[in-house]
Amino acid sequence: NAGVMQNPRHLVRRRGQEARLRCSPMKGHSHVYWYRQLPEEGLKFMVYLQKENIIDESGMPKERFSAEFPKEGPSILRIQQVVRGDSAAYFCASSPPSLTYEQYFGPGTRLTVT
Amino acid sequence: GEDVEQSLFLSVREGDSSVINCTYTDSSSTYLYWYKQEPGAGLQLLTYIFSNMDMKQDQRLTVLLNKKDKHLSLRIADTQTGDSAIYFCAEGSARQLTFGSGTQLTVLP
Repeated sequence: NAGVMQNPRHLVRRRGQEARLRCSPMKGHSHVYWYRQLPEEGLKFMVYLQKENIIDESGMPKERFSAEFPKEGPSILRIQQVVRGDSAAYFCASSPPSLTYEQYFGPGTRLTVT
Repeated sequence: GEDVEQSLFLSVREGDSSVINCTYTDSSSTYLYWYKQEPGAGLQLLTYIFSNMDMKQDQRLTVLLNKKDKHLSLRIADTQTGDSAIYFCAEGSARQLTFGSGTQLTVLP
């Protein structure tokens, strides 16, 4: 059973460009979570999604950030008009529907904004 | 708001036991977790404990929870060089986890 997949692993964007980060949950997992890790800090919760629904987006910045988890395909975290402060590692986690307290993390996407 | 605190660094000799400590503030947390992060990698779920338990043992890992003091610890017996990593404590519910800043464990030969 493959783990949580994230791509790209590394992404470089210039200020003002858009960044799209993709996450494929583990097989059988229908719940996806996105976290951001700034250098030398712990992970901060951003958003929790189920298929076609945003359940909790209390950690998402109000502007420029959006997330989706469509019926088919991976979950996408989209950052518009990136700024240097968006440089971080973005981690996706997934959990099965019956064990939502077990979150399994992907390897992360390291975003660098130049 | 919720806050999870850990010491930043811990060094131990190979073969000794390691104890990593964590304090949290949210008394409504249902679960408390330990994750391991190796350089450049994602987080690996090591173990978790329900808030109504006070101890959980899993092979070389022992988790102790003092709910009164909101203190969680992870003991690694017979620490090996492969245990060198950052260890994150987290608390939460089924929706979101709140993480500490991580403890860098260095295992010396």
